[in-house]
Amino acid sequence: QLQLQESGPGLVKPSETLSLTCTVSGGSISRSSDYWGWIRQPPGKGLEWIGSIYYSGSTYYNPSLKSRVTISVDTSKNQFSLKLSSVTAADTAVYYCARHDRYETFDIWGQGTMVTVSS
Amino acid sequence: EIVMTQSPATLSVSPGERATLSCRASQSVSSNLAWYQQKPGQAPRLLIYGASTRATGIPARFSGSGSGTDFTLTISSLQSEDFAVYYCQQYNNWITFGQGTRLEIK
Repeated sequence: QLQLQESGPGLVKPSETLSLTCTVSGGSISRSSDYWGWIRQPPGKGLEWIGSIYYSGSTYYNPSLKSRVTISVDTSKNQFSLKLSSVTAADTAVYYCARHDRYETFDIWGQGTMVTVSS
Repeated sequence: EIVMTQSPATLSVSPGERATLSCRASQSVSSNLAWYQQKPGQAPRLLIYGASTRATGIPARFSGSGSGTDFTLTISSLQSEDFAVYYCQQYNNWITFGQGTRLEIK
């Protein structure tokens, strides 16, 4: 049973870089059919896709966040990571990692991790 | 960016009745439309993809329809566990979500 688990600081200061890691268990991150994505949800609001990565390292990002986002993969650790730079209070959200196939529907999700941007 | 608009924002329905949720895209997304259910404190759960195909393990009372710009999620006979927030998502051109419809008990 594939499982995803987010980890990282729950509090980040304004203007700093938010860093999160998603650990994949119960299966390989290198499976050829799978892509790995980050989605966020501000408190009481809807979902926003941040970006996705393939095990080869190929990435694609939400155009509205592209200038601040970097997603990377470490196949040796079965992990992928998110970095979001120059954060503001507007980046406060629950951050989810999730799996999708080439059709970009997210069928397996992590439990989510709350990140607050505050000094 | 394709904007997804869901209606209504809140829908009040009695258990056992039918619920119909709508999702409209600002431009055609073909059949590249998914529906998710989210309960408080939980991650979203994939219900429907390809506008009308139920995901693994999803009960038959959930059905999706539509193509192009107008889509519908129907829950034929509401169970207590179905009261939640529902999101549509298009994946025809990048990935965007609707703002959600809250399905509450009447």
